[in-house]
Amino acid sequence: EAQVTQNPRYLITVTGKKLTVTCSQNMNHEYMSWYRQDPGLGLRQIYYSMNVEVTDKGDVPEGYKVSRKEKRNFPLILESPSPNQTSLYFCASRSSSGRLADTQYFGPGTRLTVL
Amino acid sequence: AQSVTQLDSQVPVFEEAPVELRCNYSSSVSVYLFWYVQYPNQGLQLLLKYLSGSTLVKGINGFEAEFNKSQTSFHLRKPSVHISDTAEYFCAVSDRRDDKIIFGKGTRLHILP
Repeated sequence: EAQVTQNPRYLITVTGKKLTVTCSQNMNHEYMSWYRQDPGLGLRQIYYSMNVEVTDKGDVPEGYKVSRKEKRNFPLILESPSPNQTSLYFCASRSSSGRLADTQYFGPGTRLTVL
Repeated sequence: AQSVTQLDSQVPVFEEAPVELRCNYSSSVSVYLFWYVQYPNQGLQLLLKYLSGSTLVKGINGFEAEFNKSQTSFHLRKPSVHISDTAEYFCAVSDRRDDKIIFGKGTRLHILP
């Protein structure tokens, strides 16, 4: 089954404790991205990657890092989480960076709470 | 720069009644337009998309949307809603020149029995 998986689905942590949210897709997609969803703000893009070893900032990259060492994986790293990063995070992928018409597939979401 | 405006943050509607969720966009160039649905505690899934051609686009679950270039709108409609349509709906726009997709803030559809 074609899917995007994220782990963990739920995470409660404390300020300053480094964490990683993993994202993996099994569709051989080149393009992957991370979004955060906040009430009243919709989805905002954090980072995206057009292919292995190619990443770029989205609209709200501050406080986040990403890496793309393998095509299927795109982890989101919070080096020093802060309470304003409490949010619902989605990973997404689509087949080709040059063809936005291709459908974007979303993971189930990771609900992060930073105390 | 592109932007998307979903005019209603919440829309209550009785079961089996018709519904329209409004979306307006701004862009100086040709765009792709999308509607996504997010059911409770799930990720987003594509309902439908407009790329080119016919301005009336049909999607899954009986939804359709009409692209109106002169009014820069892409409203989503369904003639008869069901309890299972309870979800949040996101309109999105993309400039055809780059890989960026901009989402609206979402509209929560509440189905009343």
